[in-house]
Amino acid sequence: EAQVTQNPRYLITVTGKKLTVTCSQNMNHEYMSWYRQDPGLGLRQIYYSMNVEVTDKGDVPEGYKVSRKEKRNFPLILESPSPNQTSLYFCASRGGLAGVETQYFGPGTRLLVL
Amino acid sequence: RKEVEQDPGPFNVPEGATVAFNCTYSNSASQSFFWYRQDCRKEPKLLMSVYSSGNEDGRFTAQLNRASQYISLLIRDSKLSDSATYLCVALSLNNFNKFYFGSGTKLNVKP
Repeated sequence: EAQVTQNPRYLITVTGKKLTVTCSQNMNHEYMSWYRQDPGLGLRQIYYSMNVEVTDKGDVPEGYKVSRKEKRNFPLILESPSPNQTSLYFCASRGGLAGVETQYFGPGTRLLVL
Repeated sequence: RKEVEQDPGPFNVPEGATVAFNCTYSNSASQSFFWYRQDCRKEPKLLMSVYSSGNEDGRFTAQLNRASQYISLLIRDSKLSDSATYLCVALSLNNFNKFYFGSGTKLNVKP
């Protein structure tokens, strides 16, 4: 089954404690993204990767890092989380014909930073 | 200004009603358009793509008006299970084929 998985699904942490949210896809997609979703603001792209070792900033990259060492994995790293990073995070991969790609989202990670 | 704008709703409709959502996009370079459905705090899932000629999938009809830069979604014979948030999405050829998401329109279908 084609899918995007994320872990953990729920996380409560404290300010400053480094954390990593993992993301993996089994569709051999080159393009992967991380989004955060906040009420009234919709989905905002944090970082994206067009292929292995190719990553770039999205709209809201401050406070986040990513890496893409393998095609299937795209972890999101919060080196020093702050309360304003409390949000619902989605990893996504995309594939299909150019111009009509479909994005497949992971189930989401709810993060609370105290 | 947001790239894609939608009325947040909520739209409260009775079962069996017909309901329509519109969204507008600001980037004329946007090439492809989609409607995604998102159930409460779950991941968005593709509902349908939107083609210039308009397209229909069962009770759902999507249309694109490039001249006015808006997209519409029509749901006929609403079901309780249609209750969700509907996200309007534009794919732009600029900026490495970026997806732009609207904030979503919430639909509540009531018995």
